[in-house]
Amino acid sequence: GQNIDQPTEMTATEGAIVQINCTYQTSGFNGLFWYQQHAGEAPTFLSYNVLDGLEEKGRFSSFLSRSKGYSYLLLKELQMKDSASYLCAVMDSNYQLIWGAGTKLIIKP
Amino acid sequence: TAGITQAPTSQILAAGRSMTLRCTQDMRHNAMYWYRQDLGLGLRLIHYSNTAGTTGKGEVPDGYSVSRANTDDFPLTLASAVPSQTSVYFCASSEVSRHEQFFGPGTRLTVL
Repeated sequence: GQNIDQPTEMTATEGAIVQINCTYQTSGFNGLFWYQQHAGEAPTFLSYNVLDGLEEKGRFSSFLSRSKGYSYLLLKELQMKDSASYLCAVMDSNYQLIWGAGTKLIIKP
Repeated sequence: TAGITQAPTSQILAAGRSMTLRCTQDMRHNAMYWYRQDLGLGLRLIHYSNTAGTTGKGEVPDGYSVSRANTDDFPLTLASAVPSQTSVYFCASSEVSRHEQFFGPGTRLTVL
C-alpha cells in the first residue's frame, strides 16, 4: 500500500528553526511536494523536490532522499504567521498526489 | 485573477438529497481535481480530470460523480448524500497533471 508519515503536531519558538520530517512508501515516485495550510483555508504550494538534495526558498528549505524515502521541510527564523499545518505529498507513478495527514505547527512567542 | 472559485462556501444537507458542488478556474489549467479533507486524514482524491472531456476515479469515488464539459468547470455531484460524506471538499487545478496544484477555498458540507 501507499503511505505517507509525518508527525501530528510540533511546537517551536518564534525566531527559532524547526524541521518537519516526512517518510513515504508509494507506487512509483514523480516528486514530493510540501504545502502550507492555515486553519480554515486552502493548502498553498511551498516546494517541490524530484532530485536528491536541498532546495532553498527564502526562510523555507526542503530536502529529499529518494533512496531513504525521506524528506524534511526546514523553517528558519520562525514567525507567528508560520503557525499552520504542513502537508507532505508524493506524486505516484500515475501522477496522482498521495497526501500525508499533515503536521500542525504551533509557534509560541 | 480569481484563480479557483467554489460554491457554496458551506451547506447543510439532509441525507438522501442530491447536491452539486461547483468549481470554476480561470487559469486555463488542463487538469482539475476534487479532494475531501477529514480530520486526522490526508487529503483524499475523489475524482480527477486531465483534460476537458475526460475524467477518472481517485481513491474514494463511490457516491460521487463528475463531469468536465469545458476547461473551466468541474462540478462534483452527490446523488444521494449520506452522513459519511460530511467533510470539507477542495477543488484544485494544475497546468498539467505533474505540476503543482492550486486549490480553491473549499466547501464545508454537513450531511444530517
